[in-house]
Amino acid sequence: KQEVTQIPAALSVPEGENLVLNCSFTDSAIYNLQWFRQDPGKGLTSLLLIQSSQREQTSGRLNASLDKSSGRSTLYIAASQPGDSATYLCAVKWEGGSEKLVFGKGTKLTVNP
Amino acid sequence: EAGVAQSPRYKIIEKRQSVAFWCNPISGHATLYWYQQILGQGPKLLIQFQNNGVVDDSQLPKDRFSAERLKGVDSTLKIQPAKLEDSAVYLCASSLVTSRQYFGPGTRLTVL
Repeated sequence: KQEVTQIPAALSVPEGENLVLNCSFTDSAIYNLQWFRQDPGKGLTSLLLIQSSQREQTSGRLNASLDKSSGRSTLYIAASQPGDSATYLCAVKWEGGSEKLVFGKGTKLTVNP
Repeated sequence: EAGVAQSPRYKIIEKRQSVAFWCNPISGHATLYWYQQILGQGPKLLIQFQNNGVVDDSQLPKDRFSAERLKGVDSTLKIQPAKLEDSAVYLCASSLVTSRQYFGPGTRLTVL
């Protein structure tokens, strides 16, 4: 069964700290992996998309890496800010023609001033 | 460019009642998705449309849920009759074929 797991479920850090969010997935035959941000009461905002042939993607203070062989991805946030507080979701699309994204349960991040 | 629109944003109903949600995708996006997100969980795909045809509805509880996408644009998701466990946020997303999905703000359903 194709599943996505995110650990930890919640994380609280002081402002300015660098942090890493983890995502693991079963079945290494992925097509791509996305990291999303979800604010309370809002929809999902796509942050980074990594194709299966790529090792990492960067956008501003965010860097996502992908290791297909070990079934892992990490989202690195540099110099965290209170505005980064949100739930971060990892989603995988596997090879095989389906466009379905399978999501993890997310990590709720709180950055304290 | 306008994003994915959904309405209503919030809905409260009693169990056994019916409810319908509406989604208008980004213009030109052929693929439309409905996801269900229960509190504390990640979104789960209910149904995927390609234009007005169903591609994947394997996780749609067909005894009570139905969805349509007339003319390959707007879509409606209906629940009849609703159960307590249907309380969730219903997210609509759209994409060009095989590309990034863009999500709407969602409809929060509470079933009492």
